[in-house]
Amino acid sequence: EPEVTQTPSHQVTQMGQEVILRCVPISNHLYFYWYRQILGQKVEFLVSFYNNEISEKSEIFDDQFSVERPDGSNFTLKIRSTKLEDSAMYFCASREGSYGYTFGSGTRLTVV
Amino acid sequence: GENVEQHPSTLSVQEGDSAVIKCTYSDSASNYFPWYKQELGKGPQLIIDIRSNVGEKKDQRIAVTLNKTAKHFSLHITETQPEDSAVYFCASTYGNNRLAFGKGNQVVVIP
Repeated sequence: EPEVTQTPSHQVTQMGQEVILRCVPISNHLYFYWYRQILGQKVEFLVSFYNNEISEKSEIFDDQFSVERPDGSNFTLKIRSTKLEDSAMYFCASREGSYGYTFGSGTRLTVV
Repeated sequence: GENVEQHPSTLSVQEGDSAVIKCTYSDSASNYFPWYKQELGKGPQLIIDIRSNVGEKKDQRIAVTLNKTAKHFSLHITETQPEDSAVYFCASTYGNNRLAFGKGNQVVVIP
């Protein structure tokens, strides 16, 4: 069964550093997403991406964040100047049509 | 934005019994309601979903019911097995097919 692949599974970074979280969506999917889950809280929408541009973003997704699809297969989330409160599980997801998200296994980001 | 509430937060059941998890949502325009199962170290995995034009959907031991008037939907797991132990998330769509999640429910099936 096709999968969404995320790397790394765990990333530890120092406060103020930049991190790039990587995702390989399912190949024939057209819509791509990043969600995050802070420990003990709900999974929250960050950003959606379609046709090589951001289609929607939440209030969480400020100038510290950016997304890119650099080569037609990878989909990355960059977090500049990380803060302690950025520590969370970050999930990438993709979908083909109107419904049916497929999520990756997540990247656990720990900012120290 | 959409607000999805899920309860109970934890649920323990004896193997073979049924488990029911309920969710409520706020956006009357929501039209898609998936349920996800998350096992340790893995991402959310879709187990069943329902669209607003039906009231119930069943897939083997799993069923989902939807009451659009009351804005709530429920997950039913019958004949629970130890491998059903996991965190279950409900969600609904809002805006441009964004998902709003409930907080999750830890289901523990006691052998």
